[in-house]
Amino acid sequence: GAGVSQTPSNKVTEKGKYVELRCDPISGHTALYWYRQSLGQGPEFLIYFQGTGAADDSGLPNDRFFAVRPEGSVSTLKIQRTERGDSAVYLCASSLGGRTSGSYEQYFGPGTRLTVT
Amino acid sequence: AQSVTQLDSQVPVFEEAPVELRCNYSSSVSVYLFWYVQYPNQGLQLLLKYLSGSTLVKGINGFEAEFNKSQTSFHLRKPSVHISDTAEYFCAVRVKGGYNKLIFGAGTRLAVHP
Repeated sequence: GAGVSQTPSNKVTEKGKYVELRCDPISGHTALYWYRQSLGQGPEFLIYFQGTGAADDSGLPNDRFFAVRPEGSVSTLKIQRTERGDSAVYLCASSLGGRTSGSYEQYFGPGTRLTVT
Repeated sequence: AQSVTQLDSQVPVFEEAPVELRCNYSSSVSVYLFWYVQYPNQGLQLLLKYLSGSTLVKGINGFEAEFNKSQTSFHLRKPSVHISDTAEYFCAVRVKGGYNKLIFGAGTRLAVHP
């Protein structure tokens, strides 16, 4: 079946602009995660949704970052007033469930490469 | 808080040689352990995971890892590598009973040469 998809695959924007990154999880997966991977680093957790609600947003770096998942499926990560330091690959992952079990494997999308000039 | 240290940023190796990628973690609570692989221009793929039970875990593509609680390590091994194993490898932990967020190490780039 279809895996996690992310659009766009690449996004170049100017400093100060607003961007939206989209994630389509695997059908039936209730849990959705956003991670950010900077050059030469491992993925860094941003936010976790269980259904429509953000269960853990402790990784969002500041209030310029916001994410929604209004119908419990597709999610959008929104970044306001982008800065050059926001340049990174933004990864989305989904899993069947979120809490209490380690067996809920996370399936990752290919990522969106964001470049802020 | 939890942290993961991957001791080697790059590991060059010849084809058919054995390889070990090292991972140490720090946590005050029990964790689950994972290894992910990232091929160029692709998403992360789960290689193997340790949840409980036997400390030797076998994964896909001939990889295995051993959980050592006393040394807080989870090293990844393969007895004979192929050119196609060239990729970035990430070790990750997740708190038992907590939300399913993963905490990753910085990664190890495995370069297999002919």
